[in-house]
Amino acid sequence: KAGVTQTPRYLIKTRGQQVTLSCSPISGHRSVSWYQQTPGQGLQFLFEYFSETQRNKGNFPGRFSGRQFSNSRSEMNVSTLELGDSALYLCASSFGKGLGYTFGSGTRLTVV
Amino acid sequence: KQEVTQIPAALSVPEGENLVLNCSFTDSAIYNLQWFRQDPGKGLTSLLLIQSSQREQTSGRLNASLDKSSGRSTLYIAASQPGDSATYLCAYNTNAGKSTFGDGTTLTVKP
Repeated sequence: KAGVTQTPRYLIKTRGQQVTLSCSPISGHRSVSWYQQTPGQGLQFLFEYFSETQRNKGNFPGRFSGRQFSNSRSEMNVSTLELGDSALYLCASSFGKGLGYTFGSGTRLTVV
Repeated sequence: KQEVTQIPAALSVPEGENLVLNCSFTDSAIYNLQWFRQDPGKGLTSLLLIQSSQREQTSGRLNASLDKSSGRSTLYIAASQPGDSATYLCAYNTNAGKSTFGDGTTLTVKP
């Protein structure tokens, strides 16, 4: 069965631009979470969506936003990109909170 | 504030050795704990998931234990192989569905 699919795999953007990342969860999974991973900060939780509603949110500025569609696919948007936004963005999906998470391969974002 | 601590940060062992990775957490509202493996530049691969009511889980050469009262989990790897070289992360999930990750232990298994 297909795993969690993230697109694109790599992205280069200029400071000030905005970017949209996409995540398709495993079929049947209704929970999608987003994480930012950097060498200095490690893996940090951005937000979680369940049935099109944001259920949890991490400590990131409002430039980071997301949404989930009725088919459980999720998008994450970052506006007014800064150099510090360069990171590996990971998406994870789950049937529900007690059943563990499956991660995608991530989107490597580089801001120049 | 570090909510999840993984010790050691890095570990190098010869092939064939048994080893233990440690994970400590401070949140008592743990719902479950999950161990992951991450290869350089890649996503996370789930290894084991332990519910808060369980004491341990086993998968092949891997065994994870959970002591909720002391806030500790260990990942035991038996007969290590060079292919086990990776960064191992633990994460706990709360009742509210929030996940918190440690910084990981980078393991190198030398042939």
